[in-house]
Amino acid sequence: DAKTTQPPSMDCAEGRAANLPCNHSTISGNEYVYWYRQIHSQGPQYIIHGLKNNETNEMASLIITEDRKSSTLILPHATLRDTAVYYCTHAGGTSYGKLTFGQGTILTVHP
Amino acid sequence: DARVTQTPRDKVTEMGQEVTMRCQPILGHNTVFWYRQTMMQGLELLAYFRNRAPLDDSGMPKDRFSAEMPDATLATLKIQPSEPRDSAVYFCASGSGGAGTEAFFGQGTRLTVV
Repeated sequence: DAKTTQPPSMDCAEGRAANLPCNHSTISGNEYVYWYRQIHSQGPQYIIHGLKNNETNEMASLIITEDRKSSTLILPHATLRDTAVYYCTHAGGTSYGKLTFGQGTILTVHP
Repeated sequence: DARVTQTPRDKVTEMGQEVTMRCQPILGHNTVFWYRQTMMQGLELLAYFRNRAPLDDSGMPKDRFSAEMPDATLATLKIQPSEPRDSAVYFCASGSGGAGTEAFFGQGTRLTVV
């Protein structure tokens, strides 16, 4: 199972960038880093994933360190609707949905 | 807007009753996952299917839980008989099955067994 370490909570001002760190030192060579978030007990929402290169999509950017043992999720302009629990995990190949979620980071975006 | 659809959204049942939860994966997705979320245990993988065949159900209590995919557009999770400790939110997720792709979750079924 994936073992990740994330800060339990973070705050961010609306309109500012939110940088959420994650340590995943047990990641294997063929495993991708995945980020999901969950709002008010809704279903987890996929944000972004990557193998070793930095990735960007319409929601966020993902920065993965060269040794792949940690990553940072960047929400470039946080809004109040980005308040959620953010989960970082890793999974390999076609087992991409066998996700192990830890406690995640509770991100609170303030006006 | 493609999404995973789960029914019912909420279910309250008495202990000992059979419960069936349904999931319609995103059209074209060939991999389906069932998860359970509780405050104490967090999100746990129960089982998953690829091309309708069960690949891993090691997270599922075998004596009372069963999961099936009658066809490519429907996955079911049954509990018989249900117990109060089964109270949780059950999520279904689906994906296209390729390496390094992502899974998309439904909105869940909140089950309360009294």
